[in-house]
Amino acid sequence: EAQVTQNPRYLITVTGKKLTVTCSQNMNHEYMSWYRQDPGLGLRQIYYSMNVEVTDKGDVPEGYKVSRKEKRNFPLILESPSPNQTSLYFCASSFIPGLGTDTQYFGPGTRLTVL
Amino acid sequence: ELKVEQNPLFLSMQEGKNYTIYCNYSTTSDRLYWYRQDPGKSLESLFVLLSNGAVKQEGRLMASLDTKARLSTLHITAAVHDLSATYFCAVDRRGAWASGSRLTFGEGTQLTVNP
Repeated sequence: EAQVTQNPRYLITVTGKKLTVTCSQNMNHEYMSWYRQDPGLGLRQIYYSMNVEVTDKGDVPEGYKVSRKEKRNFPLILESPSPNQTSLYFCASSFIPGLGTDTQYFGPGTRLTVL
Repeated sequence: ELKVEQNPLFLSMQEGKNYTIYCNYSTTSDRLYWYRQDPGKSLESLFVLLSNGAVKQEGRLMASLDTKARLSTLHITAAVHDLSATYFCAVDRRGAWASGSRLTFGEGTQLTVNP
């Protein structure tokens, strides 16, 4: 089954404790992206990646890191989480945007609480 | 800074009625997406609109794009309860034929269809 998976789905942590949220897709997509969703703000793009070893900042990259060592995986790293990073996080993937195959597939979401 | 505004933000309608959700954006773009999100769920891609005048239809939903007016509409025909969800538009500031994707989302329109 074609899908985007995220782990963990729920996480409660404390300020300053490094964490990683994994994202994996099995559709051979080049493009992957991370978003956070907050009430009243819609979704905001954190980072995106056009292919292996190619990443770029979205609108709200502060406090986050990403890496793209393999095509299928795009982990989101919070080196020192703070309470303002409490949010619902979505990973998404697609074929290269702009080539007419733009449909993005979203993962199930990770609800993160930073105390 | 690209701003994307949806209206209405909340919409309660009766089954069988028609209605339109509007998505206005502030800078030039010719790539726009519509997504659906059910409560507690992830996002599902509905439409990708890649040029001025683009119109796409799926079931009771029809989306259109007017790049000159910087406006997209999502029209609901003869609403049914199953359409109850939150609908987001997202605008790619890079345009239809640029590689990469920088999406800015609207706040979402929470639609409730009453029997």
